[in-house]
Amino acid sequence: QQPVQSPQAVILREGEDAVINCSSSKALYSVHWYRQKHGEAPVFLMILLKGGEQKGHDKISASFNEKKQQSSLYLTASQLSYSGTYFCGTESYYGNNRLAFGKGNQVVVIP
Amino acid sequence: DSGVTQTPKHLITATGQRVTLRCSPRSGDLSVYWYQQSLDQGLQFLIQYYNGEERAKGNILERFSAQQFPDLHSELNLSSLELGDSALYFCASSPRLAGGSGANVLTFGAGSRLTVL
Repeated sequence: QQPVQSPQAVILREGEDAVINCSSSKALYSVHWYRQKHGEAPVFLMILLKGGEQKGHDKISASFNEKKQQSSLYLTASQLSYSGTYFCGTESYYGNNRLAFGKGNQVVVIP
Repeated sequence: DSGVTQTPKHLITATGQRVTLRCSPRSGDLSVYWYQQSLDQGLQFLIQYYNGEERAKGNILERFSAQQFPDLHSELNLSSLELGDSALYFCASSPRLAGGSGANVLTFGAGSRLTVL
């Protein structure tokens, strides 16, 4: 039930864009995105509900394709503060209320 | 400060020992989750409680147990510890159960780092 995140790691320069993906084999009710900086706790970024919605957090936006059971996180004009590990958490219709997290996408933004 | 309090922050113990990790959820949150984070495994869901009752179980070993008390704080008990149990253990809380309305947005504590020697 653990979602699959790709790519495992991304290195980009300040100002560049990147896309990271999260996919599940289960029918999803919602997708959460969290960011964890080194040595800190994961922090909630946004939640996407069924219906193919998109959301944004600063210049970080995300989409949720319910039919494909996929979500993508878009890092636009990346800043140094975007560095960290991004986790998607998925809630499936038969997941018994649990939020299953993927292994994370490590993002490193360099000057 | 996220509002979720975990103690202790660091714990070093020997194999075969037993430890208890404690978590106080954010004020008003009824649901508590425990996750284990190892280097290459991401966030592994262990167990979830809602208002004192166990509601979901993940990859939690039989050597591990947890409970949520009437005041909503939770404890994770790890026994017969092995080297492989060394990890960062996170507690998270949310207002209610899953529902898609944002009610289950998780607020994480700072974690308890367990080192088993």
